[in-house]
Amino acid sequence: EVQLVETGGGLVQPGGSLRLSCAVSGFTFSSNAMSWIRQAPGKGLEWVSGISVRGDRTYYADSVKGRFTISRDYPKNTLSLQMNSVRAEDTAIYYCAKDLKGFEQWGQGTLVTVSS
Amino acid sequence: DIQMTQSPSTLSASVGDRVTITCRASQSISSWLAWYQQKPGKAPNLLIYKASSLESGVPSRFSGSGSGTEFTLTISSLQPDDFATYYCQHYSSYPYTFGQGTKLEIK
Repeated sequence: EVQLVETGGGLVQPGGSLRLSCAVSGFTFSSNAMSWIRQAPGKGLEWVSGISVRGDRTYYADSVKGRFTISRDYPKNTLSLQMNSVRAEDTAIYYCAKDLKGFEQWGQGTLVTVSS
Repeated sequence: DIQMTQSPSTLSASVGDRVTITCRASQSISSWLAWYQQKPGKAPNLLIYKASSLESGVPSRFSGSGSGTEFTLTISSLQPDDFATYYCQHYSSYPYTFGQGTKLEIK
C-alpha cells in the first residue's frame, strides 16, 4: 500500500523556521520525482516545490524561492521542506505528493500556521 | 509562468446531469494536464492525467479531453458522491500551476 505521511507542521512565528518531512512507503522512492503542494485555509491548491528523481534539480514557486529548500533522503525514503523566514501568507496545509503523471499519490497533509 | 483558468468557479447541478468544466492554459501545454477531485478535509484525488487518460479506479463517468490550451472535464451522469471541488493542473514544465477550482454543488 502506498503511503505518504507528512509531519512537522505547527505554529511558528513570522520570520521563524520550520522543517516538514514526508515519509514514503509502498513505492520506489528513488525512482520518482516528488513535490510539495499547499492549500491556504478556504483557498485553492498551490504547487510549492519539486525535486527530481536523483535530487540534483530543485524547483520553486516564486512565492517561496529563496526561503524554502526541498531535499530528499534516499536511505530514509523521506522528502523534506525547510521553511525559513516564514510569513503569514505561508499558513496552509502542506501536502507531499508523488510527481509522475500529475500528482498520483498524496499524503494527508500537515498544517502550518504562521502567527505571533 | 503558465496560468491556468478554470470555469465556472461554481456549478449547480442535479444527480443524473451531465456537466462540463473547462480549463484554459495561457500557452500550449500539449496534453500535460491533470484533473483532481477534492472533498472537504481530504487531500485531492487524481482523476485524469495526460488530458484524457483515466486514472485507475476512477469511475468511467469521468472523462477528459483537449490539447494545447483548451481542456474539459466531463461527468456524464452525476452521482451524489461527485459533489466536490475540481482542479485542473498543468505539468508541462516547472513551475506547475493549478486552476482556481470549480465547486460542484447540488441544485
